[in-house]
Amino acid sequence: KAGVTQTPRYLIKTRGQQVTLSCSPISGHRSVSWYQQTPGQGLQFLFEYFSETQRNKGNFPGRFSGRQFSNSRSEMNVSTLELGDSALYLCASSLAGGYSPLHFGNGTRLTVT
Amino acid sequence: DQQVKQNSPSLSVQEGRISILNCDYTNSMFDYFLWYKKYPAEGPTFLISISSIKDKNEDGRFTVFLNKSAKHLSLHIVPSQPGDSAVYFCAASENDGNQFYFGTGTSLTVIP
Repeated sequence: KAGVTQTPRYLIKTRGQQVTLSCSPISGHRSVSWYQQTPGQGLQFLFEYFSETQRNKGNFPGRFSGRQFSNSRSEMNVSTLELGDSALYLCASSLAGGYSPLHFGNGTRLTVT
Repeated sequence: DQQVKQNSPSLSVQEGRISILNCDYTNSMFDYFLWYKKYPAEGPTFLISISSIKDKNEDGRFTVFLNKSAKHLSLHIVPSQPGDSAVYFCAASENDGNQFYFGTGTSLTVIP
């Protein structure tokens, strides 16, 4: 069974631009979550989607948004990029979203210059 | 406000010995806990989980212990192997598992 696929793997953007990251979950997984990893901060929760509905959102500004499609694939968008948005963005999928482990993709490394 | 803490940034262990990684949490509502291993340039890989109704869960060389009164969990790796060298994260969630809180990780080095 294929794992979680994230594209692209690397991205370089300029401050003020916007970016869209893509995630394909494991087949059969209906819950998709997004996390941001920065040095020394661990993984910070961005949001979680289940059946195209956002069920939970972390403490990030409104510049960070996401959506989930009917095939469970998900996208994350960051508008008006800031230098501090440089991070590894990780997507994870799980079977039911509750009491099921998260399975992560390899992430998208975003660099904002 | 870090609700899940891994106070040891790094740990070195001889091959064949036991590795013990620790994790503390502050939210008494957490009832589902996970451990992940992460290699550079890869996403975290799920290792083992435990729910609050248990105090121990084993999977091969990996055992997780949960002490709810102390709000503490630990991961034991026995015997440790050089391939276990990686960063280990603990994570916790409450109720529905929609949102996980992660620790900042412990870098384990297993010395051959």
